[in-house]
Amino acid sequence: DIQMTQSPSSLSASVGDRVTITCRASQTISIYLNWYQHKSGKAPRPLIYASSSLQSGVPSRFSGSGSGTEFTLTISSLQPDDFATYYCQQSFSPLPSFGPGTKVEIK
Amino acid sequence: EVQLVESGGGLVKPGGSLRLSCVASGRTVKDAWVSWVRQAPGKGLEWVGRIKSTSDGATTDYSVRVNTRFTISRDDSKNTFYLQMSRLQSEDTALYFCATEERWTYSGTYFDSWGQGALVAVSS
Repeated sequence: DIQMTQSPSSLSASVGDRVTITCRASQTISIYLNWYQHKSGKAPRPLIYASSSLQSGVPSRFSGSGSGTEFTLTISSLQPDDFATYYCQQSFSPLPSFGPGTKVEIK
Repeated sequence: EVQLVESGGGLVKPGGSLRLSCVASGRTVKDAWVSWVRQAPGKGLEWVGRIKSTSDGATTDYSVRVNTRFTISRDDSKNTFYLQMSRLQSEDTALYFCATEERWTYSGTYFDSWGQGALVAVSS
């Protein structure tokens, strides 16, 4: 099994802040890393796939980078709609796995 | 874009069985890989299993936690996917989502379209 970790587990930020979330894999996964935004009671929303490719319709303030075992999701200027939980997910293994999530809250 | 709607959730006793359905609309999904992902109360997202397209053999993969207890199937004529759950345990209590897997390479996928989820509660 490939284990995914994320840091921080939660953060408080203000509108307009730059936010960075880190995701690490227990073994190398090349660029097989995706990011999702999830708000309680709603369907998760794909943001980034293949480490850095922006999903259609996702604002350009979201960006992803990394390869191997370390990845980052950056929100360049946090907007009110961005307060949510963010998950990374690997698809390198035939059995996908998610990170534990990072909750982004309003400061 | 495809729309997905899950149904079939409910309360079931430990050791019992339940079948969830996921109906797709908006475009044909006969070539789609579809996964089930769950979220237990207060917990994060957990991948449960997938079924590949019929043209890819409709083969299935399951997480270690549900392997041998859960079975995923598909009926392309009805644009419907199923998650048959048996020998349910309290740890299976969760909101269950179905999601299509978009492939950017043959093996590189991400979960593209998601349903709103079906709630399964396992309790005596």
